[in-house]
Amino acid sequence: NAGVTQTPKFQVLKTGQSMTLQCAQDMNHEYMSWYRQDPGMGLRLIHYSVGAGITDQGEVPNGYNVSRSTTEDFPLRLLSAAPSQTSVYFCASSYSIGADTEAFFGQGTRLTVV
Amino acid sequence: GENVEQHPSTLSVQEGDSAVIKCTYSDSASNYFPWYKQELGKGPQLIIDIRSNVGEKKDQRIAVTLNKTAKHFSLHITETQPEDSAVYFCAAIRGSTLGRLYFGRGTQLTVWP
Repeated sequence: NAGVTQTPKFQVLKTGQSMTLQCAQDMNHEYMSWYRQDPGMGLRLIHYSVGAGITDQGEVPNGYNVSRSTTEDFPLRLLSAAPSQTSVYFCASSYSIGADTEAFFGQGTRLTVV
Repeated sequence: GENVEQHPSTLSVQEGDSAVIKCTYSDSASNYFPWYKQELGKGPQLIIDIRSNVGEKKDQRIAVTLNKTAKHFSLHITETQPEDSAVYFCAAIRGSTLGRLYFGRGTQLTVWP
């Protein structure tokens, strides 16, 4: 049972380069989110999606784009990487059935922008 | 939006002692409060949660309490063990915005043998 799979696990980019962080879930969850984790800052929401074709901004969306063409995949795009985007990125998927809800996180992508 | 404050940022206890981590939230509409444990190099994992219609919930050595009036909730770990060492995050969410968790800044718990 794969759960939430993020690729790559590690990435080094040069300032100005672009890249896509991949996230896939096999649990048929409707909700998916991207967070970044910085030392002493907890996890901050970048973008989230409540279903295929529907996305919205979180707390720190600048510099990032997302799309959700399928239930399973929710890629995060950095159009022009900046050193301030050096962070650990986590993708999460979650479900809600009545009063029952839970979020599952991937293993993370450690991104360094030089 | 929601603002979640978490204290302390670091906590060291002796094996067998209890540990308490406290969080406050600002949005009275928040109604679901999960706690996550993050081990080094891994993603956060849910360990316990509580809903706003419940005051306390226990699961073996872990318990969570919620005071809706004061807008605070706490994680209690009894009989701590070295494997409890990790970073713990509290979070809050409105039922209407599922998938949009607001996290505290985390507590690094160290349990000394």
